[in-house]
Amino acid sequence: DVKVTQSSRYLVKRTGEKVFLECVQDMDHENMFWYRQDPGLGLRLIYFSYDVKMKEKGDIPEGYSVSREKKERFSLILESASTNQTSMYLCASSFRGADSGNTIYFGEGSWLTVV
Amino acid sequence: AQSVTQPDIHITVSEGASLELRCNYSYGATPYLFWYVQSPGQGLQLLLKYFSGDTLVQGIKGFEAEFKRSQSSFNLRKPSVHWSDAAEYFCAVGPYSSASKIIFGSGTRLSIRP
Repeated sequence: DVKVTQSSRYLVKRTGEKVFLECVQDMDHENMFWYRQDPGLGLRLIYFSYDVKMKEKGDIPEGYSVSREKKERFSLILESASTNQTSMYLCASSFRGADSGNTIYFGEGSWLTVV
Repeated sequence: AQSVTQPDIHITVSEGASLELRCNYSYGATPYLFWYVQSPGQGLQLLLKYFSGDTLVQGIKGFEAEFKRSQSSFNLRKPSVHWSDAAEYFCAVGPYSSASKIIFGSGTRLSIRP
């Protein structure tokens, strides 16, 4: 089974703190993703990485950055957390290539509260 | 513009009853269509997907979905729901070539009445 592991399930941080959300996948997937999930808005893509050290902005990258130094690990960074970043964050991964079937595998999510 | 609409925010059905969750999409090219399920406190799991071929697609957990090009719909169905089906369901659409371009609907929360 594909495993996407988000190390922190629940976090409470203060406004202005730097926050790191870590994600590891064990299926040698080229693609990794960070989504944000909010009620009534579904999932919105923050950042996408298709290879080590490669990244692309998604729909809502403002206030976030990412790091991918190893193929299996993709980190989301909030440089200065704000209350409007309180949300559920989902990491995901998939194979690259059109014949991959585009199936995305998700982690269990990290609930972040910024106070 | 590309979009996915799930018109029902919350649906309640009785255990054993049939279920249909609606999904409408707007997409310029041939779409790749997905249904995902999210159990409480969990990530999303793929139920089924469609790109081409038979327009009735079978998925896991007894779910199926039917692609209707003329109606731009991809509705999810189950003949008889179980209490364990209570979850949030997301429809998604994207190109065949790139997973990063997949867009998700806002979700439908399913509750099961005992």
